[in-house]
This record gives sequence, structure tokens and C-alpha cells, in this order.
Amino acid sequence: SQELEQSPQSLIVQEGKNLTINCTSSKTLYGLYWYKQKYGEGLIFLMMLQKGGEEKSHEKITAKLDEKKQQSSLHITASQPSHAGIYLCGAPKQTGANNLFFGTGTRLTVIP
Amino acid sequence: DTGVSQDPRHKITKRGQNVTFRCDPISEHNRLYWYRQTLGQGPEFLTYFQNEAQLEKSRLLSDRFSAERPKGSFSTLEIQRTEQGDSAMYLCASSLPRVQGPYEQYFGPGTRLTVT
Repeated sequence: SQELEQSPQSLIVQEGKNLTINCTSSKTLYGLYWYKQKYGEGLIFLMMLQKGGEEKSHEKITAKLDEKKQQSSLHITASQPSHAGIYLCGAPKQTGANNLFFGTGTRLTVIP
Repeated sequence: DTGVSQDPRHKITKRGQNVTFRCDPISEHNRLYWYRQTLGQGPEFLTYFQNEAQLEKSRLLSDRFSAERPKGSFSTLEIQRTEQGDSAMYLCASSLPRVQGPYEQYFGPGTRLTVT
């Protein structure tokens, strides 16, 4: 079965530092979603990537999709305490699939 | 524009009791999804509706679980004869259909179920 592996599992950074989270799929990616989750709460939609080479940015967060490598990266520039949380990548198992499967998440802590 | 809402936010129940959760999707979103998330894991898909039709169910959805979306708007998820293994966060998401390719799913705040 297809899996999404996220690395690192947890990350502690000083405020102001840049960081990157990776999401690697064991099979072909048919799109890739990034979500953020605060502990005990729902998922907040960040970005959706559909095509290989696609890159999207929102505020200080940039995500890229490398279809050949079956991988996506999420980069945060000049991290802030408000960026703290769990970052989850999700993907449909096949094109047009109606549900997503997710990685286990990367827990980000930003120290002021 | 309000997001996806879920009720209740927390539920504590004794093993063997029945529980029901409600999800109100974003208005005009005709697709609605239920996921379950246990501690330290990503969400796992349970079931999916397009309007009032339940089109897909995961093998995770045992016979004790039933979901409905009678008028194509809000949805309910019922768990009968709860077991301790049912303790989890139950998440609802909704989306608009897209003609081609993936589509954004927006999640609610979740209902945290604790079975004692």
C-alpha cells in the first residue's frame, strides 16, 4: 500500500530561522496537500500542489512538488512562534480519488 | 463565510454506549468526508458523500459505524456499542467538486471521543 513518509518527525528551531519539511511517497503522486494542525484541533488547509515542478507560496511558507522524486517539500522562512504545530502532507491514492491518505506529521516547535 | 463545523467538540462515553456526531459542511460544498485520527497519526479516511449519496466506505468503517447525509447538507456519524479502540478524533471535511484533478478539502475542528 502507498505510504507518505514525513521527515523530520519533529523539529525545534529558534525564532527567525528557516526550516524545511519533506514528504516522500512510496508511489506516484497525484497531487499533494499540506495542512497544519494545532494540538487537539482540526486541520488548516495550507496549499495544494497538482503538477510536477509546481511551487506555491503563502506568506512565509513555500511548497514544491517534485513528481519524479515522488516528493514534496515545505519551507518556512524566518519562522515565528505562530508557525508552531503539526504539519501534515496528504495525497489521493489515484487521480480523481475522493479521499486522502496522510503522513504521520512533523511537529514543529519555534522557540522565541 | 463559515467553515466546517462539528458538534460536539468533545464526547466522553462509557464502553457499550452509542454516540452520534454531527458535521455541517461549508455551504455549497456537495462533497463531505469523515476521517478518524488517533494520537500521533495522520487522519484515516472513513467514508465520503456526494450530496446525499454515500459513495465510498473504508474497511475501517465496521458494522458498528453508520453515516448519513439525508438532505445533502449536514451529516451524522453514529457509533454503536462503543469500544475503547474507538477513542480518537473524528474529523469532517468538505469540498466542491472539480472537473479535473484534485480538489481542496477543508476540515472542521473535530470531535474528540473518549471511551472509558
